[in-house]
Amino acid sequence: SQKIEQNSEALNIQEGKTATLTCNYTNYSPAYLQWYRQDPGRGPVFLLLIRENEKEKRKERLKVTFDTTLKQSLFHITASQPADSATYLCAPLNNAGNMLTFGGGTRLMVKP
Amino acid sequence: DARVTQTPRHKVTEMGQEVTMRCQPILGHNTVFWYRQTMMQGLELLAYFRNRAPLDDSGMPKDRFSAEMPDATLATLKIQPSEPRDSAVYFCASGLRTAKLFFGSGTQLSVL
Repeated sequence: SQKIEQNSEALNIQEGKTATLTCNYTNYSPAYLQWYRQDPGRGPVFLLLIRENEKEKRKERLKVTFDTTLKQSLFHITASQPADSATYLCAPLNNAGNMLTFGGGTRLMVKP
Repeated sequence: DARVTQTPRHKVTEMGQEVTMRCQPILGHNTVFWYRQTMMQGLELLAYFRNRAPLDDSGMPKDRFSAEMPDATLATLKIQPSEPRDSAVYFCASGLRTAKLFFGSGTQLSVL
């Protein structure tokens, strides 16, 4: 069955460092993958979408990579700030598929 | 700013009662999703609609849950009868197909 894995343990880093979050998937051939941010008590917010033919995508301090051979996406936040503390969710999607399922999310804590 | 509106924000009810949650998607969005979120299970897809037609509701317990879109501005999720295990946050999300979803603030449901 299709599976999306994100590190369920919280990631604690120091302000200014680069945070790297991992999303691994199995039994999927996603045409693209999305990343969302979720703050406590709120719904997820869309951050970035990367297509299978794009190896890397950037948006301000955010960078996403997509390795279809490793079946993995990495999400980087450079020069992290305490305001980046949140849970980050990945969601791979097939071109032919209509559903959007999410990984369990990784909680990021950036300490000042 | 366009946003997805969910009502009520909080609902406390007793086991066996009917619960109705409502969602107003963003005008012009043709795809609407219902998700349930718990600490244990994360974000679970319950059902989704495209152009008001149900496309998949395989994630939804059919015996007690029902989802409808009476018109393009309203989606409803009903639970009848409710059970304590239904306690969770229920999110509605809308978008154009499945990319870049916009989530509502959720309905926090507690079934006693």
